[in-house]
Amino acid sequence: NAGVTQTPKFQVLKTGQSMTLQCAQDMNHEYMSWYRQDPGMGLRLIHYSVGAGITDQGEVPNGYNVSRSTTEDFPLRLLSAAPSQTSVYFCASRTTGGRNTEAFFGQGTRLTVV
Amino acid sequence: GDSVTQMEGPVTLSEEAFLTINCTYTATGYPSLFWYVQYPGEGLQLLLKATKADDKGSNKGFEATYRKETTSFHLEKGSVQVSDSAVYFCALRGPGNQFYFGTGTSLTVIP
Repeated sequence: NAGVTQTPKFQVLKTGQSMTLQCAQDMNHEYMSWYRQDPGMGLRLIHYSVGAGITDQGEVPNGYNVSRSTTEDFPLRLLSAAPSQTSVYFCASRTTGGRNTEAFFGQGTRLTVV
Repeated sequence: GDSVTQMEGPVTLSEEAFLTINCTYTATGYPSLFWYVQYPGEGLQLLLKATKADDKGSNKGFEATYRKETTSFHLEKGSVQVSDSAVYFCALRGPGNQFYFGTGTSLTVIP
């Protein structure tokens, strides 16, 4: 009963380094998304995907790339890390149908860029 | 555009006190409304939800009623416990199927 799994849980990067945050779900959900959580700002949508091969930008996409080659996986890539990307990142998934379907969240990745 | 405004925190209460966390929304059409809870070091978990006007969502002693006339979805609990200490997020799912989250309200319950 894994749900949404994110790795790693913690990461420290130096400015300019690149890395990939992994997200996998085992619920066969079509919709997956990435959020960042910053103090006083709640959750802001970075990128999302409505199915394999389809991705789109959210509210704060700059500096991040995504791809969706399978239904299960939705990795988030930081191309050249900046201190402004220090944040907690959450991956979420849900079905696309039904007004009352909830979003399921991973446990988060705490990223620090120094 | 769609948005959620929730009560600023942090909120500190004594055990068994009454809790209200205010949430109001702006949305086109008829959104579904949710409360999520985030315990320390964890991801967000669904606490309760409501999909149409006058619906009441409830779970673990928490309640919230979808009020279309006041565009509100306030979270209440009659008697909080130390284990309720967490950050609470109000959210809406609009006609475009996107989720919009409030900024979160941190609750600390002291014995």
